[in-house]
Amino acid sequence: GESVGLHLPTLSVQEGDNSIINCAYSNSASDYFIWYKQESGKGPQFIIDIRSNMDKRQGQRVTVLLNKTVKHLSLQIAATQPGDSAVYFCAENSGGYQKVTFGIGTKLQVIP
Amino acid sequence: GAVVSQHPSWVICKSGTSVKIECRSLDFQATTMFWYRQFPKQSLMLMATSNEGSKATYEQGVEKDKFLINHASLTLSTLTVTSAHPEDSSFYICSASGDRGLYTEAFFGQGTRLTVV
Repeated sequence: GESVGLHLPTLSVQEGDNSIINCAYSNSASDYFIWYKQESGKGPQFIIDIRSNMDKRQGQRVTVLLNKTVKHLSLQIAATQPGDSAVYFCAENSGGYQKVTFGIGTKLQVIP
Repeated sequence: GAVVSQHPSWVICKSGTSVKIECRSLDFQATTMFWYRQFPKQSLMLMATSNEGSKATYEQGVEKDKFLINHASLTLSTLTVTSAHPEDSSFYICSASGDRGLYTEAFFGQGTRLTVV
């Protein structure tokens, strides 16, 4: 369904610490998930994706975990840097089609 | 990754006028483009799906006569906000996907900030 008009939750972390951003998705038929990073005034930027036949995928400094049982997705950022400050959205789609539904988003603030 | 470009990046228009926003895929052919709207501190909400050479598919609650979408070529889709009003002020973002197989991400433009005064 559509995201409702809620204000974004904020996560504040100290520079160098690890960050964990969580997301609950709604469609049990979704089989492809993506994390996007959006900086102020810009479009979303792809970070990492995962298919439903996997429960973990790692990238450079980022790891995505998928728990289909509880329909939960998380993004872990290692050694968080000031440049990681942004809003992070999880997105889901089904059927391998690139139409995605975005979650509410989390604002990550990195404290120097 | 593939590049999607939007133009203009920002626009201010008077209430009652129409505004056209362009979305171009620069280095690939986009068979499908998506238009999103994003209000401050909110998530992206899909407005419509645009397929080259056919009519756009609008999401529930989006007025197709107000938000005209044209996808005349494999590299260009346009969104025209007709008779704009202040409540149409928002950040409009497009994304594009090509025939690159299943389970691949769509690429997003940089967005267009529309302010209606």
